[in-house]
Amino acid sequence: GQNIDQPTEMTATEGAIVQINCTYQTSGFNGLFWYQQHAGEAPTFLSYNVLDGLEEKGRFSSFLSRSKGYSYLLLKELQMKDSASYLCAVMDSNYQLIWGAGTKLIIKP
Amino acid sequence: ETGVTQTPRHLVMGMTNKKSLKCEQHLGHNAMYWYKQSAKKPLELMFVYSLEERVENNSVPSRFSPECPNSSHLFLHLHTLQPEDSALYLCASSQDGTGGYNEQFFGPGTRLTVL
Repeated sequence: GQNIDQPTEMTATEGAIVQINCTYQTSGFNGLFWYQQHAGEAPTFLSYNVLDGLEEKGRFSSFLSRSKGYSYLLLKELQMKDSASYLCAVMDSNYQLIWGAGTKLIIKP
Repeated sequence: ETGVTQTPRHLVMGMTNKKSLKCEQHLGHNAMYWYKQSAKKPLELMFVYSLEERVENNSVPSRFSPECPNSSHLFLHLHTLQPEDSALYLCASSQDGTGGYNEQFFGPGTRLTVL
């Protein structure tokens, strides 16, 4: 079966750095997405990785290792507004998105 | 209006009611999606439409009936629902629904409660 694993919840301190991991087992791979979802709001796109390596976009970076079936989202200089759920999703061989259950990130002052 | 809009934002219905959820995208996309989001569970893809043709139906119960009259509008008709159908229903759109890189843009969702 297809499976996406990510931690259920993480806590970090304002101004710090946090890494949210995602491991996947899917039938084929056509890219990995990270989305951010604030409570009661729509998920919004953060990043897309299809090749191995690190993609940096401001305070957020996303890393992919296809051989290990592994990705992480790195958030730097955490702000209170970063408190949200972070969703990992993999596009399989049928170009269908397989979603993880999301990681709820709690930022403390 | 910009992006993807959904109405209503909240809906409470009895098990014998019939209601409809509406989604509209203002992005010129060709594909639209219905997802179910339950607490602490992955997003569940329900239906995919590409150029107004249904291309995916992930074994969704017949009490959920989608309708896509054109590439900008998507409906989800609900009838004789069960309490376990209570969830957040999200609509999304993307440029293409049948292959390639496909960033999906989501609406704010409809919070459905079935009594």
